[in-house]
Order: sequence, then C-alpha cells, then structure tokens
Amino acid sequence: QKEVEQDPGPLSVPEGAIVSLNCTYSNSAFQYFMWYRQYSRKGPELLMYTYSSGNKEDGRFTAQVDKSSKYISLFIRDSQPSDSATYLCAIGDGSRLTFGEGTQLTVNP
Amino acid sequence: GAVVSQHPSWVICKSGTSVKIECRSLDFQATTMFWYRQFPKQSLMLMATSNEGSKATYEQGVEKDKFLINHASLTLSTLTVTSAHPEDSSFYICSAEVRTRALNEQFFGPGTRLTVL
Repeated sequence: QKEVEQDPGPLSVPEGAIVSLNCTYSNSAFQYFMWYRQYSRKGPELLMYTYSSGNKEDGRFTAQVDKSSKYISLFIRDSQPSDSATYLCAIGDGSRLTFGEGTQLTVNP
Repeated sequence: GAVVSQHPSWVICKSGTSVKIECRSLDFQATTMFWYRQFPKQSLMLMATSNEGSKATYEQGVEKDKFLINHASLTLSTLTVTSAHPEDSSFYICSAEVRTRALNEQFFGPGTRLTVL
C-alpha cells in the first residue's frame, strides 16, 4: 500500500467551477500536510500547508485535513484557467516529504 | 520567496556516459537539499537527502554508486548520474530546505530533463 494516495484525475472543469482534490494517507505519524502546484516542466511550488485537522483558507483555496480519517482535500473556488496545473499533496514527517501521484487539472475558459 | 536553480535544464547524452546536475540556492543557505526523480505522469520520488559536509542519505532502492551526490557548500549540491542508461531518462528535481519555527519548507528547482539515448 502506498503511504499517500491521490485521486489521479485528470480533471477538466469549466471556469468558475469549484474543484475538489483529495488524498488519503496511511501513516499516523505524519505531522504536516501540504499542497503543491506544478506547471508543466517546472518544479513544484508550495500552495498551502497545515498541521492540524480542520480547514485553512487562503483566498480561493481551502485546505482541509481530517486526521481521524487520514484524509486531506484542497478546494479551489471560482477556478480560473491559470489554475490549470498538476496539484500534488505532500505529507511530512520531520524533513521528509511523501508526495501523492498528482492530479492534473484543466480549467476551460 | 527563496529561489533554487538547476543546471542544465535539459540534457541528452549517450548510454554509458556520466551527467552532472547542479542545484543552487540563490539567495539563501541550505544545510539540507533533496533530490527527486519524476517519471511522466507520476509523482516525485525522493532519491536522497543531501546534507552539507556529510554523506548523502539514499532512499531504499536507489543505488548510491550510480547516483553520486555531493553537497560541498551551503548553496550547492550536485547529482552525478554515472554510466547512464536509457532507463535513467527522467525529470530530476532538487529542493533546498528552509527551516522556520513554523515549518521545514522545501523550495524546488525547475528540474532537469535527462534523456539517455
């Protein structure tokens, strides 16, 4: 079983839609939870991080963590074509990050 | 934010040759850098953790004699793929760690695409 599993997509939505991206993990020792965005042929960039269960908002983005279910989500409101990218969840234990497979998102104008 | 560069951005080489990839933190010092490999439509797989002034720590299944890592300064780590073969063709990404009170954040380089013929 993989330590981190992510809905693979790809996902294609119209502009303005609400997007939900999801990951599950198996190791209770994981301490922090991150979402990265990766454009084609580029390195990932950090979007959001959180340590605890609950919701964390940053503009159009909301990260949600449920430690009891070992489930994390990223919601994107009012999605824009510029949001088209691959989104990777990453879960950390100390310095070490374990990434999900990534979900490729396309937002159509 | 912190900037990490990689050089070269892409490289094509013949089977059996060695290729060196550089990872630099441009505006900060990084005690710890990481090397990842990413195959098409797959996630980043950690290859090794590189600590300045000490030997790298390799993940299970990664051959340390094939993937040589040197972290000679606080701003530079290098990955050398020795005797490269077509199956080594991949996207290699480095990251540099910045530790704050809130988070150990990794800043990623733009990646190096290696094609071995």
